[in-house]
Amino acid sequence: DAGVTQSPTHLIKTRGQQVTLRCSPISGHKSVSWYQQVLGQGPQFIFQYYEKEERGRGNFPDRFSARQFPNYSSELNVNALLLGDSALYLCASTMGGAYNEQFFGPGTRLTVL
Amino acid sequence: DQQVKQNSPSLSVQEGRISILNCDYTNSMFDYFLWYKKYPAEGPTFLISISSIKDKNEDGRFTVFLNKSAKHLSLHIVPSQPGDSAVYFCAASALTSGTYKYIFGTGTRLKVLA
Repeated sequence: DAGVTQSPTHLIKTRGQQVTLRCSPISGHKSVSWYQQVLGQGPQFIFQYYEKEERGRGNFPDRFSARQFPNYSSELNVNALLLGDSALYLCASTMGGAYNEQFFGPGTRLTVL
Repeated sequence: DQQVKQNSPSLSVQEGRISILNCDYTNSMFDYFLWYKKYPAEGPTFLISISSIKDKNEDGRFTVFLNKSAKHLSLHIVPSQPGDSAVYFCAASALTSGTYKYIFGTGTRLKVLA
């Protein structure tokens, strides 16, 4: 079975640009979460979606937005990129509900110049 | 405010010996804890979890201990193998505004020496 997939693997943007990152969960998983991991830190929670509805949002500015599609895949959008947005963006999927371990994708490495 | 802390950024252990990775948390509302392992250029991989109603959970070479009164959990790896060399993250979960969010620590880099 395919695991969580993310695209693209690497991305280079300049300040002020917009970026869209994509995630496909494991088949049968209905919940997707997005995390930002800056070098030397643990993953920081950005969003959680379950059954296409936003179920949680971390402490990130409104420049960050996301959505989940009927097939449970998800997109993370970041507008007006700042240098500090450079990070590894991780997507994780679960069946849904509580106490399900999250399965992570390989991440998208975003570099903002 | 770092609610989940891993105070040891790195740890070196000889192959065959025990590795003990520690994690402290501050929020008493956390009721589910997980350990993840991360290799370079890969996403974190789930290792083992524990509910707050337990104080120990074991899975093969991996055992997680939870001390709720001290707000402390630890991951024991016995025996340690070179393939265990990776960054280990602990994560804690609590129900917040109707959904479960996971808070991660900053990670501990484990190096198992052959």
